[in-house]
Amino acid sequence: DAGVIQSPRHEVTEMGQEVTLRCKPISGHNSLFWYRQTMMRGLELLIYFNNNVPIDDSGMPEDRFSAKMPNASFSTLKIQPSEPRDSAVYFCASSSAGTAYNQPQHFGDGTRLSIL
Amino acid sequence: ILNVEQSPQSLHVQEGDSTNFTCSFPSSNFYALHWYRWETAKSPEALFVMTLNGDEKKKGRISATLNTKEGYSYLYIKGSQPEDSATYLCAFINQAGTALIFGKGTTLSVSS
Repeated sequence: DAGVIQSPRHEVTEMGQEVTLRCKPISGHNSLFWYRQTMMRGLELLIYFNNNVPIDDSGMPEDRFSAKMPNASFSTLKIQPSEPRDSAVYFCASSSAGTAYNQPQHFGDGTRLSIL
Repeated sequence: ILNVEQSPQSLHVQEGDSTNFTCSFPSSNFYALHWYRWETAKSPEALFVMTLNGDEKKKGRISATLNTKEGYSYLYIKGSQPEDSATYLCAFINQAGTALIFGKGTTLSVSS
């Protein structure tokens, strides 16, 4: 059974460029989470979708960040324009039916983003 | 401000030693606590989801307990092996579901 699939695995781009990170959750999972991991702040929840609807986006740092989930099998996290301080590892996770928070989350391998 | 603290930050033990570490979280408005194991160069892997005060869960040599009244959870590893070397993360979720906060983790290193 395929796990959570993220792409790209690595992205290096220049400041000011648009960055799009992609995630395919595990089939049948109805909750999807985007996280950012940095040395300073650890793992931070950015946004959480349930049945493709954004439920909590309070962790999205600013308007430069946006996330969409057009269907149950695909989500994107966009940063436009990107800045060097956005450099981090971005993880996507999904969990199965039920209240999202009482099910374990399954994480993708992450996208390592470097903004020069 | 909701705070989730894990201690110690890092730990080094010898193969065969048993060890434990702590996750402290707000005791009010508790909904669930998750434990994850995160090996270097991999992604976090779920260990336990705990929801009831007094819960005790076990997976092989790893077990966890939960005290929601005082706001802490212990993770125990019996007879540590080198393959247990990883960072162990806990995540607190509040009742409203408006907060999912990870601790910074405890990094365990087991020497053979």
